[in-house]
Amino acid sequence: QKEVEQDPGPLSVPEGAIVSLNCTYSNSAFQYFMWYRQYSRKGPELLMYTYSSGNKEDGRFTAQVDKSSKYISLFIRDSQPSDSATYLCAMSSKAAGNKLTFGGGTRVLVKP
Amino acid sequence: DGGITQSPKYLFRKEGQNVTLSCEQNLNHDAMYWYRQDPGQGLRLIYYSQIVNDFQKGDIAEGYSVSREKKESFPLTVTSAQKNPTAFYLCASSIVASGGTGELFFGEGSRLTVL
Repeated sequence: QKEVEQDPGPLSVPEGAIVSLNCTYSNSAFQYFMWYRQYSRKGPELLMYTYSSGNKEDGRFTAQVDKSSKYISLFIRDSQPSDSATYLCAMSSKAAGNKLTFGGGTRVLVKP
Repeated sequence: DGGITQSPKYLFRKEGQNVTLSCEQNLNHDAMYWYRQDPGQGLRLIYYSQIVNDFQKGDIAEGYSVSREKKESFPLTVTSAQKNPTAFYLCASSIVASGGTGELFFGEGSRLTVL
């Protein structure tokens, strides 16, 4: 079993819909949680960063962490065609020297 | 503009050949990383370096080698010992060693295909 599980998709939604992405993990030591966005044939870029449990909002993006369930989510409101990309969750712990463990990524397609 | 430059973008190699992927950064970051990306498997760490002249193996170092002679440069050599080298290779850097807040800055990647 992988340490971080993420549905590969693709997830296809109409423009303006809410995109809901999630990851589950098995290592309870993880305490830093990130979402990266990767456009086709490009390197990933950091979207959201959350420490421990809770919610964080940045514009149309909301990240949630539920450490008790070992479950993190990313919501994209009012989705745009430019949001079409692969979204990777990543997490780390001090015990692992803060090295990131990535999920496999979910491909999202927002149709105009 | 500051950033990470990887070259070449696309590379074809015959079986049994070594190939070196270049990674240069002008962000003045201390730490640099090499990841491999395969479909559905996320990013897997090959090697990382926290300071010049020092580097550590990641999770899948077998068949790869690196050097860190300059702060700006972290080339990756894919040797003939790597059993399945066809993949997308990503170089990254971070301000502090061990990723800090987790913000890795990535290059645009190099796609290696073994014929």
